[in-house]
Amino acid sequence: QKEVEQNSGPLSVPEGAIASLNCTYSDRGSQSFFWYRQYSGKSPELIMFIYSNGDKEDGRFTAQLNKASQYVSLLIRDSQPSDSATYLCAVNTGRRALTFGSGTRLQVQP
Amino acid sequence: ETGVTQTPRHLVMGMTNKKSLKCEQHLGHNAMYWYKQSAKKPLELMFVYNFKEQTENNSVPSRFSPECPNSSHLFLHLHTLQPEDSALYLCASSQSDPGTAYNYGYTFGSGTRLTVV
Repeated sequence: QKEVEQNSGPLSVPEGAIASLNCTYSDRGSQSFFWYRQYSGKSPELIMFIYSNGDKEDGRFTAQLNKASQYVSLLIRDSQPSDSATYLCAVNTGRRALTFGSGTRLQVQP
Repeated sequence: ETGVTQTPRHLVMGMTNKKSLKCEQHLGHNAMYWYKQSAKKPLELMFVYNFKEQTENNSVPSRFSPECPNSSHLFLHLHTLQPEDSALYLCASSQSDPGTAYNYGYTFGSGTRLTVV
């Protein structure tokens, strides 16, 4: 079983819609959860992190964490073509280093 | 210079060459990392340094040799690589709580695109 799983996509949404990106993880002891955005040919950049169960909002982005279900998601409201990228979920499994999923490619259609 | 800088941005090397990748962080972070990113694969952790001490070596072949002379600089020395080592090599830094495994997220460098011929 992969430690961090994401659907590779592509996930295609129309401009202005809500994009929902999902991630599951295998280690129940995981403490912190991160979402990174990676444009093609670029390095990942941190969008959000979440430590506690529930929702955390930052602008158009909302991270949701459910530790009982070992599930973390990222919602992007009012999606824009500039949001088209690969979104990486990362989990701190108790080591200092993060474990990354393989990413979900998001395409926002104008 | 701000953030995390990596040099060179692109590198083409033969299998018998020796080269080094350089990473420098200007954020005052206490941990630095090397990751490998191959096409359609998750980021693979290679090495972790906390306060200049190597704390993780993720079963990386000995043809990759890290060096961390201080908390701001990290090198990856490359020797007799194979074509399958061609990938994007990413350096990252973070501020980690020394007493726990708590991580406050990484800042990545721009990466070195390595091609082994």
